[in-house]
Amino acid sequence: GDSVTQMEGPVTLSEEAFLTINCTYTATGYPSLFWYVQYPGEGLQLLLKATKADDKGSNKGFEATYRKETTSFHLEKGSVQVSDSAVYFCALSRYGNKLVFGAGTILRVKS
Amino acid sequence: NAGVTQTPKFRVLKTGQSMTLLCAQDMNHEYMYWYRQDPGMGLRLIHYSVGEGTTAKGEVPDGYNVSRLKKQNFLLGLESAAPSQTSVYFCASSYGDKKETQYFGPGTRLLVL
Repeated sequence: GDSVTQMEGPVTLSEEAFLTINCTYTATGYPSLFWYVQYPGEGLQLLLKATKADDKGSNKGFEATYRKETTSFHLEKGSVQVSDSAVYFCALSRYGNKLVFGAGTILRVKS
Repeated sequence: NAGVTQTPKFRVLKTGQSMTLLCAQDMNHEYMYWYRQDPGMGLRLIHYSVGEGTTAKGEVPDGYNVSRLKKQNFLLGLESAAPSQTSVYFCASSYGDKKETQYFGPGTRLLVL
């Protein structure tokens, strides 16, 4: 079945450091790919998405590129802030409304 | 516009007790979902609904029932709670041609002793 694998955390960075969170997926066909973020004490919210190969999703300084050849959708940000501390979930959708989530990666940013 | 709200925020149950979690959305969304979130496992879909009066099973439906009598509400029931149902429960909703973009509530933390 469909699955999403994320790098294990927690990831701890200093402010202004470069961030990469790896995400790979297993699915037949051409799923849509997503990154959701969960801030402390809140529900998940959509950060960015890409719906076809080579698409780049971007939002709030975060970027991820849909790589069909490596089945990956890695999340990157050039300079993280303390306010970026959260749990980041990679997800895919192949059947319209159903999302399959990865386990989540905790990001901690120190000032 | 409150978005997606969940009631209660936290609950402690004893094994065998029953309870209902309420999800409400004021965005007129057709689709609604219940997930559970467990450490190291991400979110798993319990049940979902594609419209008023309809429900369907997700990945982990056993031990749960749902109802969608009104478009804005989606109820999750536990008839006989078990310790394995200790989790954080999230409700979400989505709509139309953007149904893959889901809007989440703040979650309900449930502890079953």
